[in-house]
Amino acid sequence: EAGVAQSPRYKIIEKRQSVAFWCNPISGHATLYWYQQILGQGPKLLIQFQNNGVVDDSQLPKDRFSAERLKGVDSTLKIQPAKLEDSAVYLCASSFSGGRSPLHFGNGTRLTVT
Amino acid sequence: AQTVTQSQPEMSVQEAETVTLSCTYDTSESNYYLFWYKQPPSRQMILVIRQEAYKQQNATENRFSVNFQKAAKSFSLKISDSQLGDTAMYFCALKNNYGQNFVFGPGTRLSVLP
Repeated sequence: EAGVAQSPRYKIIEKRQSVAFWCNPISGHATLYWYQQILGQGPKLLIQFQNNGVVDDSQLPKDRFSAERLKGVDSTLKIQPAKLEDSAVYLCASSFSGGRSPLHFGNGTRLTVT
Repeated sequence: AQTVTQSQPEMSVQEAETVTLSCTYDTSESNYYLFWYKQPPSRQMILVIRQEAYKQQNATENRFSVNFQKAAKSFSLKISDSQLGDTAMYFCALKNNYGQNFVFGPGTRLSVLP
């Protein structure tokens, strides 16, 4: 099966600029997650979608971050305006609904804010 | 709130030896799932092994096995016959059945030495 696709792989922007990341989950996976992973730390959940509805966005900095999942498939995560502390790897993951279903991750996007 | 703790930031092991990575967690749920993920320098998170909390038998996947102690809320990973390709960050993760959010620990950096 095709894996979770993410783009771009790397992005360098200046602070106060905007950036968008794209994710295409594994076909049939209803649940989609965006994680932020700061260097040397574990992934932190930003937002979780079930189909095209938001399940959990409690840790999403909504003043600058937004995400959508139109038609319950692809998803886009946007940062506007970016801050230096947003430098991190942004991981997209998907899974089937159901307890024992694991996360399947994409390769991530490394964002550097200068 | 759910938390996952990994008390060993870094570990090393000689090739062909056995190593155990520690993980403790906290949850108020009675039904949950535990996972170990591997993240090599290529950045993609890969599922290593999973355990259902309702199962008493410890999970095993080839050279990887877990020691699941539910009462102690402990979930350690044992890697036997360590190989150079096992060099990576290892993350312990907890998923409850309701909400299906995954919470990750801070990770353990494992180096396999030739």
